[in-house]
Amino acid sequence: NAGVTQTPKFRILKIGQSMTLQCAQDMNHNYMYWYRQDPGMGLKLIYYSVGAGITDKGEVPNGYNVSRSTTEDFPLRLELAAPSQTSVYFCASSYGTTGNTIYFGEGSWLTVV
Amino acid sequence: QKEVEQDPGPLSVPEGAIVSLNCTYSNSAFQYFMWYRQYSRKGPELLMYTYSSGNKEDGRFTAQVDKSSKYISLFIRDSQPSDSATYLCAMSHPGANNLFFGTGTRLTVIP
Repeated sequence: NAGVTQTPKFRILKIGQSMTLQCAQDMNHNYMYWYRQDPGMGLKLIYYSVGAGITDKGEVPNGYNVSRSTTEDFPLRLELAAPSQTSVYFCASSYGTTGNTIYFGEGSWLTVV
Repeated sequence: QKEVEQDPGPLSVPEGAIVSLNCTYSNSAFQYFMWYRQYSRKGPELLMYTYSSGNKEDGRFTAQVDKSSKYISLFIRDSQPSDSATYLCAMSHPGANNLFFGTGTRLTVIP
């Protein structure tokens, strides 16, 4: 049982490039999330999904896209990378919402230069 | 006003000390309260979970929720160097699709 698995761990992008952060969970969780964490700013929700085929915007969705074709996978797409997207990205999942425990992946460190 | 406020620290204590970490919040609808621990270069992991008001104890850790004051605390007894990490408070309310996080308090326990 691997939990939430993110790849890549580290990536350097040039301004204007695009990339996809991969996320997979093996806990059969319905809910999946993408957060970004910036120093002193806490965790900000980018997008979330309540099940396969259903996604919704979080607090900071601009510049990102997601898809949820299966229960297990929830990739995050960065289009036209900008320096403001330099951050640590965490994928997470939970069985349900509100009071359910959210489990996080190990994080993906992204630098846009 | 942020929904969740947390002193970022950093906080340094000697080994064996009692540590008190705190968060305040503004949304009276919050019912679920959590503390996550995050080691350097790692993802947050759930440490304590409390529903509504009251205390919860787990080994050296005690979580307290005072809903009347909109204030939650995490106490660490007999702190160890392995407790050195960033502690994030998080909370949510019925109907929310998200957790609301504090900014985290960085703790260092000095041997």
